[in-house]
Amino acid sequence: AQSVAQPEDQVNVAEGNPLTVKCTYSVSGNPYLFWYVQYPNRGLQFLLKYITGDNLVKGSYGFEAEFNKSQTSFHLKKPSALVSDSALYFCAVRDAGTDKLIFGTGTRLQVFP
Amino acid sequence: DTAVSQTPKYLVTQMGNDKSIKCEQNLGHDTMYWYKQDSKKFLKIMFSYNNKELIINETVPNRFSPKSPDKAHLNLHINSLELGDSAVYFCASSQGRTGTDTQYFGPGTRLTVL
Repeated sequence: AQSVAQPEDQVNVAEGNPLTVKCTYSVSGNPYLFWYVQYPNRGLQFLLKYITGDNLVKGSYGFEAEFNKSQTSFHLKKPSALVSDSALYFCAVRDAGTDKLIFGTGTRLQVFP
Repeated sequence: DTAVSQTPKYLVTQMGNDKSIKCEQNLGHDTMYWYKQDSKKFLKIMFSYNNKELIINETVPNRFSPKSPDKAHLNLHINSLELGDSAVYFCASSQGRTGTDTQYFGPGTRLTVL
């Protein structure tokens, strides 16, 4: 079965520092991976996705993600964190058998001033 | 302009009641979804429609019945509400029906069953 894991419930980072939110996946076949962000009391907003091509995917709000096939990872990164980046981040993978999106459990990012 | 909208934003009701949540998208997408997010923020798909055809029907109680009058609208009707139905329900839409298509989410409907 396809699955995605976000090993950290929370990530704390100081404003201006680089941030990484981790995601690992398990799929059969080609992985199709997504990152979404959820601000408090809001819906999920699409950040970026990997379908094929370059391993470094650039997305919205200065975020990028690095696809690493050998490590089955798709970590979300940003060179310089902002307090306004504080939110809940979800990694998701496409289930090839059902075409459903399988979401991770989410990682809460807290950026401190 | 709101791309995916849901009404109501908040819904507080008593156990045993019947309620509906409405969703509309103005993106011209062919596929719409209902997701449930529980109190631990775990997000799981419930249903999906493509051009008014039901294509994903997860194992949810048959008290939950989706209905798509046209491809821009997807409603969720819940009969005989139970305490465990309390959650945030998100509608989403995508251009295509495959899992590689980007899904765009509505703001959510917070359902509280007392």
